[in-house]
Amino acid sequence: DTEVTQTPKHLVMGMTNKKSLKCEQHMGHRAMYWYKQKAKKPPELMFVYSYEKLSINESVPSRFSPECPNSSLLNLHLHALQPEDSALYLCASSQDPSGGSYNEQFFGPGTRLTVL
Amino acid sequence: QKEVEQNSGPLSVPEGAIASLNCTYSDRGSQSFFWYRQYSGKSPELIMFIYSNGDKEDGRFTAQLNKASQYVSLLIRDSQPSDSATYLCAARNAGNMLTFGGGTRLMVKP
Repeated sequence: DTEVTQTPKHLVMGMTNKKSLKCEQHMGHRAMYWYKQKAKKPPELMFVYSYEKLSINESVPSRFSPECPNSSLLNLHLHALQPEDSALYLCASSQDPSGGSYNEQFFGPGTRLTVL
Repeated sequence: QKEVEQNSGPLSVPEGAIASLNCTYSDRGSQSFFWYRQYSGKSPELIMFIYSNGDKEDGRFTAQLNKASQYVSLLIRDSQPSDSATYLCAARNAGNMLTFGGGTRLMVKP
């Protein structure tokens, strides 16, 4: 099973709201990623969790707060977002955080976020 | 800045033809390379990966890697309208991170 699931599929929120995005994988992968993708642009890496610990934060504003409760789950907590944060938020996972020749990343279907 | 470059397209090919998608990368430390297909409004779907020089074939898809020239390509044989999508090339560096190219939009015309 090479499936990464994400909920919700769509989210509309105001600038004062607090919401969370969820991601789940049951492939036994030990690296999980959050990406942000704007229209007609490639995915931009936001955060990386390796063995449930945050290993990379690509200078993401603090209004985005990641959390990895266990090896299968990844959350992204959102607070006081701006309209320019509207985008497709993608979760991905890969088997081995330390690399290796394969270690392909599999993406979830994404959450389409609109900030009003 | 480590970069992956792709022609944004659109690349238009007739149905049944071979589509050739190209990608160059600047980081010689890149270890493996991935091709993702992304339909409009959907998430990237992994098609192939390659890490050794030469060709790797999977069905209608062939990935080619030339590390000396820092060049990766994806050939799609017998192109179908359903292949119309944006194709993202990504390079994985020694830190296990992916750097994506901007993507090439492919249009296969019936």
